[in-house]
Order: sequence, then C-alpha cells, then structure tokens
Amino acid sequence: GAVVSQHPSWVICKSGTSVKIECRSLDFQATTMFWYRQFPKQSLMLMATSNEGSKATYEQGVEKDKFLINHASLTLSTLTVTSAHPEDSSFYICSALDRPSNEQYFGPGTRLTVT
Amino acid sequence: QQQVKQSPQSLIVQKGGIPIINCAYENTAFDYFPWYQQFPGKGPALLIAIRPDVSEKKEGRFTISFNKSAKQFSLHIMDSQPGDSATYFCAASRIQGAQKLVFGQGTRLTINP
Repeated sequence: GAVVSQHPSWVICKSGTSVKIECRSLDFQATTMFWYRQFPKQSLMLMATSNEGSKATYEQGVEKDKFLINHASLTLSTLTVTSAHPEDSSFYICSALDRPSNEQYFGPGTRLTVT
Repeated sequence: QQQVKQSPQSLIVQKGGIPIINCAYENTAFDYFPWYQQFPGKGPALLIAIRPDVSEKKEGRFTISFNKSAKQFSLHIMDSQPGDSATYFCAASRIQGAQKLVFGQGTRLTINP
C-alpha cells in the first residue's frame, strides 16, 4: 500500500516551453502533497506544499508564477514549470501525506532536462 | 533553526561493518525523525523513524539512536551489505511528517564487498 507515482519519469524540453509533471497517490487519498527539487549530489529542497482545493504554499525563494501547482483532486497534484530554462533542469520529487498515519510517501521522481 | 546537519558527507565501509551516520537539529519543536534511503535516479524511501519519547529503535538491521538532550540522532546499519550502498538522508518534522520535512545534507554510503 501507500504507493505514489509520478509521470513522466523523465522529460526533455526546449528552453522557453512549459512542462507538466503529475503526482498521484494510487491507493490512498492525499489532501496534502509536497513538491521537492533535488540537484545532483544535493539534498531535497521543499518547493511547495499543495493542498487539495486550495492554493499551494510556496517556500521562500520559489517563484510561484514559474512553478504552478494544482491539486484538483484527492489523488492528483500537478507541477507545471513555465517558460523553462536550463537552470530549471533538476530531479523533481513529490510526496503525498497519508492522514491516518501522518506519513509522507515519496514518488519515484521526474528528471527534467531543459535544452 | 530549521536546519538539520548531517555527517559525514560520504562513508566507505567493508561488508559486515557498521556504518554510523549522525544528524543534529536545533528546533526543539521537531517531534519526528525519519531516515530515508535513496538509490540513484529514484525517490527516497522511508527506512525507519523515531519519536523523541524513545532513545532507540530497531527495525531489522537498522537502528536509530536518539539523544534528546544533545539534539542528535544517528543511524546504525548492522551487518552492512553491498546492496546497502546508497545515499541516506535524515530529516525532521513536526506531527510525524504532516508538517514539512527538513532534510539533512545526505551521506553517500559505499559498502565494499
């Protein structure tokens, strides 16, 4: 149980285009999901907290207009990187909060490369 | 005050040895301390977690030691195997992860055969 999926697992896009990454909780409902970014050989940095039916809460220094988060259902949150640039290339990981256990379950990550 | 400091950055141990990874925190409001294992190109997976009301927790070959007064906790891996080679992250949060996790810097562990 407690499986979180991400789609796509990897994506290459050209500079200036937008990319959408999906995060799904497969066997539980998640009113809260978290989005992280991880650069090579570095730790996970929280970008934003996504709550179903409300606006996401962004961490300091994260551009909300660039990283659009939509949590439209209890099993799906999406992260859209708008007008992507090479410096946005990174590993994006989501987690979903299972309320009964208050445990965060992580997705497998999405590798974004912007050329 | 939100930081979690992890050491060492990298660690090489022979098979069967006991690698120890240490973490320290400042925020006394933290009440949940998980350890995650991450393989290259994969998301982190929860290994073991501890609450501050206990000083030690064991799950299989993994043990967390917790020192509340020193605000430190550590991960021990017994009878380490080459398959344990991965990056390990400690983290801390409030209300068992319901609030945002603060991650340590990570330790790249290599277990030599």
